[in-house]
Amino acid sequence: EPEVTQTPSHQVTQMGQEVILRCVPISNHLYFYWYRQILGQKVEFLVSFYNNEISEKSEIFDDQFSVERPDGSNFTLKIRSTKLEDSAMYFCASEVGLAGYNEQFFGPGTRLTVL
Amino acid sequence: AQSVTQPDIHITVSEGASLELRCNYSYGATPYLFWYVQSPGQGLQLLLKYFSGDTLVQGIKGFEAEFKRSQSSFNLRKPSVHWSDAAEYFCAVVFDRGSTLGRLYFGRGTQLTVWP
Repeated sequence: EPEVTQTPSHQVTQMGQEVILRCVPISNHLYFYWYRQILGQKVEFLVSFYNNEISEKSEIFDDQFSVERPDGSNFTLKIRSTKLEDSAMYFCASEVGLAGYNEQFFGPGTRLTVL
Repeated sequence: AQSVTQPDIHITVSEGASLELRCNYSYGATPYLFWYVQSPGQGLQLLLKYFSGDTLVQGIKGFEAEFKRSQSSFNLRKPSVHWSDAAEYFCAVVFDRGSTLGRLYFGRGTQLTVWP
């Protein structure tokens, strides 16, 4: 069964460093998302992406964040200068994107630890 | 304002007992409703969803949920819990598809512990 994959599973970085979190969505899916979950808190939406453009972003997704789909298969989230409060589990999700709404399939997540 | 509430942070049940996890939302229309489950170290797996039609929906692993418009609720149920059901359960909602993709709003989750 096709699945969303994410790498790495765990990333440790120093404050101020740039990180890139990678996701490979399900191959025929067209809509892509990033969410995050700070330890002990609810899962929060960051950004949605379609047709090589951001569709919607939350207030969390500030200028330090960016997304791209560089090669038609990967979907990346970049944090330019990490802060302690960026420590969280980051989930990628994809959706087939047919007419009407469908379900989002989630990857296993990347745990980001900022020291 | 749009919101999703899971009033129970932690629930403990005995194996074989019935289970009901509560979810309420605040919204003027009928949203798209979902229940996800997260086991330790795993991603979010969809248990079931409601878009329209029959208000009692069946999902995987023997779970079901009932949409009650009058109560703005979408409670998850299972008649007999198994030890493997121990996990965290998230209610999630898409409030307005509109012209944007389906941003999911999550409740804070309910941690389920199952006693043998």
